[in-house]
Amino acid sequence: KQEVTQIPAALSVPEGENLVLNCSFTDSAIYNLQWFRQDPGKGLTSLLLIQSSQREQTSGRLNASLDKSSGRSTLYIAASQPGDSATYLCAVFSGAGSYQLTFGKGTKLSVIP
Amino acid sequence: DTEVTQTPKHLVMGMTNKKSLKCEQHMGHRAMYWYKQKAKKPPELMFVYSYEKLSINESVPSRFSPECPNSSLLNLHLHALQPEDSALYLCASSHAGVGTDTQYFGPGTRLTVL
Repeated sequence: KQEVTQIPAALSVPEGENLVLNCSFTDSAIYNLQWFRQDPGKGLTSLLLIQSSQREQTSGRLNASLDKSSGRSTLYIAASQPGDSATYLCAVFSGAGSYQLTFGKGTKLSVIP
Repeated sequence: DTEVTQTPKHLVMGMTNKKSLKCEQHMGHRAMYWYKQKAKKPPELMFVYSYEKLSINESVPSRFSPECPNSSLLNLHLHALQPEDSALYLCASSHAGVGTDTQYFGPGTRLTVL
């Protein structure tokens, strides 16, 4: 059974700092990995989707990498802003012949002005 | 239009009530999903529709009944719910492949069962 772990559970940084969020998964036989952000009481916003054949994806100040063999992904946020404050979730899609989308518990990010 | 809409935003119901949640998208997506999210927990998949057919039911109790009347609409019918069913119910859609494409989420319906 796939398990997804996100470390740290919470992170507080001053504005302008670069930061890295980590996601690890136990079964490397994945189809893709997706990073989301969620604001309190709101739905999820997709940030980046990395297919299993890809190593990284970039969107603006965000860069996500995937190392399937080691079961790890990182989300790099450059020049953090207070508006980046949210919970960041990674989700792994795996399971040949069946649908398995496994979410991590998230990292709650606070960017202090 | 890259939006998934959900109505209502908030719903309070008694255990004997019957209500429905509605989800709509006009992106031409053919896969639609219902998730349940409890406070401070990640979303849990409930149902997946692919091309208007129910393809996945994650052992959800029968008091939750999904319906996909057309490719743009997804409903979740609720009947005889329990207080522990109180949660944020999220709808999502993706282009075609179930799980293989980016999922777009709606803002959710906050459900409280008294």
